[in-house]
Amino acid sequence: DTGVSQDPRHKITKRGQNVTFRCDPISEHNRLYWYRQTLGQGPEFLTYFQNEAQLEKSRLLSDRFSAERPKGSFSTLEIQRTEQGDSAMYLCASSLGGGPGGAQHFGDGTRLSIL
Amino acid sequence: GQQVMQIPQYQHVQEGEDFTTYCNSSTTLSNIQWYKQRPGGHPVFLIQLVKSGEVKKQKRLTFQFGEAKKNSSLHITATQTTDVGTYFCAGRDDKIIFGKGTRLHILP
Repeated sequence: DTGVSQDPRHKITKRGQNVTFRCDPISEHNRLYWYRQTLGQGPEFLTYFQNEAQLEKSRLLSDRFSAERPKGSFSTLEIQRTEQGDSAMYLCASSLGGGPGGAQHFGDGTRLSIL
Repeated sequence: GQQVMQIPQYQHVQEGEDFTTYCNSSTTLSNIQWYKQRPGGHPVFLIQLVKSGEVKKQKRLTFQFGEAKKNSSLHITATQTTDVGTYFCAGRDDKIIFGKGTRLHILP
């Protein structure tokens, strides 16, 4: 079990640029989640995949955000035309789903800073 | 919309004292999970509660799920310096919502 891996660990970019983050979940986990966390807050749910299907997407997620999990393994989260308010830690988690819930295993996150 | 409130926001305790954090949902939950996040780290899963009135223990930690499945608590007995961190509840209704967390500071 190598854990959930996220890349890059840090990303600094200028406002208006596009960024893409990658998440490699624990290999046997079929569920993958993306969250955003800012200082002093809990993780904010963004979207969720079961295998390759995107089953839930937060209404807070604007059309500048898109996520994919093309083969049901790794996932990417893209933010287009970044804004100052996008600065945050982006966390990925995976779980082995069956019924409701299941322990989510988080990666170390990608910290995004918008200049 | 669904909300998950967590209190207190901060708690300072002397080492050896007990600590409790409370989680309240505006809607009935199918389950609730608790996570711990150390400073600079990522959330780490502690426990999941599913049944109404469920109580689970992990060494010095006791987790409870309310009878109405709308509230939960985490109690730590005789805190140690290793307990420092932020404790989050995450409630699942039709979506997953994390509370804002309770940050625990231990005074030596």
